[in-house]
Amino acid sequence: AQTVTQSQPEMSVQEAETVTLSCTYDTSESDYYLFWYKQPPSRQMILVIRQEAYKQQNATENRFSVNFQKAAKSFSLKISDSQLGDAAMYFCAYRRGDKIIFGKGTRLHILP
Amino acid sequence: DADVTQTPRNRITKTGKRIMLECSQTKGHDRMYWYRQDPGLGLRLIYYSFDVKDINKGEISDGYSVSRQAQAKFSLSLESAIPNQTALYFCATSGGPGWGTEAFFGQGTRLTVV
Repeated sequence: AQTVTQSQPEMSVQEAETVTLSCTYDTSESDYYLFWYKQPPSRQMILVIRQEAYKQQNATENRFSVNFQKAAKSFSLKISDSQLGDAAMYFCAYRRGDKIIFGKGTRLHILP
Repeated sequence: DADVTQTPRNRITKTGKRIMLECSQTKGHDRMYWYRQDPGLGLRLIYYSFDVKDINKGEISDGYSVSRQAQAKFSLSLESAIPNQTALYFCATSGGPGWGTEAFFGQGTRLTVV
């Protein structure tokens, strides 16, 4: 069965600095999708970034980028120039077929 | 209006009561999901559905049932609520035909069982 592991329950970063959130997953498949979702205090789930496993190029969305290491089954999220509005829970997710599996989340604190 | 709408947003119920959480979507997606979120446990899949004739159990389906009344509607029922079902519940949708798209979430239902 596929699993998604986020080993950092909480992290803190100084405003304007860079932070990296870790995610590893376990699968025997070669084609799948990976996602990072953000959940602010409003509890809404917001897609941050998406990565297709068949693409070698790392996805980027403005200040958010990923480091996708397929052989290592690693999918980390880098947030550059951290802002107060980035404070939230971040969830890593894996999709193969119609099941979407989530990690346990990392709570990110932004220090002013 | 939200693309994925959950009702109610918050609910307090008593142990042993039957409760239904409802979800409707206007995205035209055929895949619908129910997740449960608990602190430290992330989101866990309860049930998912491909269409009105296809319902699948997720990792934590015990104590829950679902009904897919139409392509746009997917409800979750707790037949006899218990306190450890206190959690934040999310409905989500995704498109097909394959498996390449992300999930779109409702605003969540905060359920408290006392």
